[in-house]
Amino acid sequence: DAGITQSPRHKVTETGTPVTLRCHQTENHRYMYWYRQDPGHGLRLIHYSYGVKDTDKGEVSDGYSVSRSKTEDFLLTLESATSSQTSVYFCAIRDGTSYEQYFGPGTRLTVT
Amino acid sequence: KNEVEQSPQNLTAQEGEFITINCSYSVGISALHWLQQHPGGGIVSLFMLSSGKKKHGRLIATINIQEKHSSLHITASHPRDSAVYICAVSNGDMRFGAGTRLTVKP
Repeated sequence: DAGITQSPRHKVTETGTPVTLRCHQTENHRYMYWYRQDPGHGLRLIHYSYGVKDTDKGEVSDGYSVSRSKTEDFLLTLESATSSQTSVYFCAIRDGTSYEQYFGPGTRLTVT
Repeated sequence: KNEVEQSPQNLTAQEGEFITINCSYSVGISALHWLQQHPGGGIVSLFMLSSGKKKHGRLIATINIQEKHSSLHITASHPRDSAVYICAVSNGDMRFGAGTRLTVKP
């Protein structure tokens, strides 16, 4: 299994509070991705990174920001959480030689 | 219209049955992926293919590039195959179908 972890695994927070989710990899892969998974929508890309300090938006990036200061860590921040951001968040990694992505275990976020 | 469409959305089978899940896509791709997600669990890659057919145990994946269609087959299904199966396509970034929820009853 690819060495990829996410923290926290579960979080409940109140509307308006900031939240940061962490994705950590030990594979030294170049590409890292944040997705959200919602019933009926499948997985949707929030942001991705193609190297340290190199990030770009995905299809559902509004309300989210990311940072990657080290190869191994990719942080997803909700500056002011809203109930519509209640979801399961998955991180994924990919090296540059294949299209295959490896997924983390997911973080279940509930915004009340 | 979604770029990746899967059918059926839900599927219930009896143990031992042959199962087929279909995936159609409307964009150019470099690879097609079949992923598996058990209830409450993470997502694992079953297959990545760009042509032809791949087999792993009781699972077979096929792709027809000209028709932009792929199928995932499960032979001799078992209750432990119960999961959500997700089709995804990639050309750099990955685009996902909504998934097929499979339940195999003993």
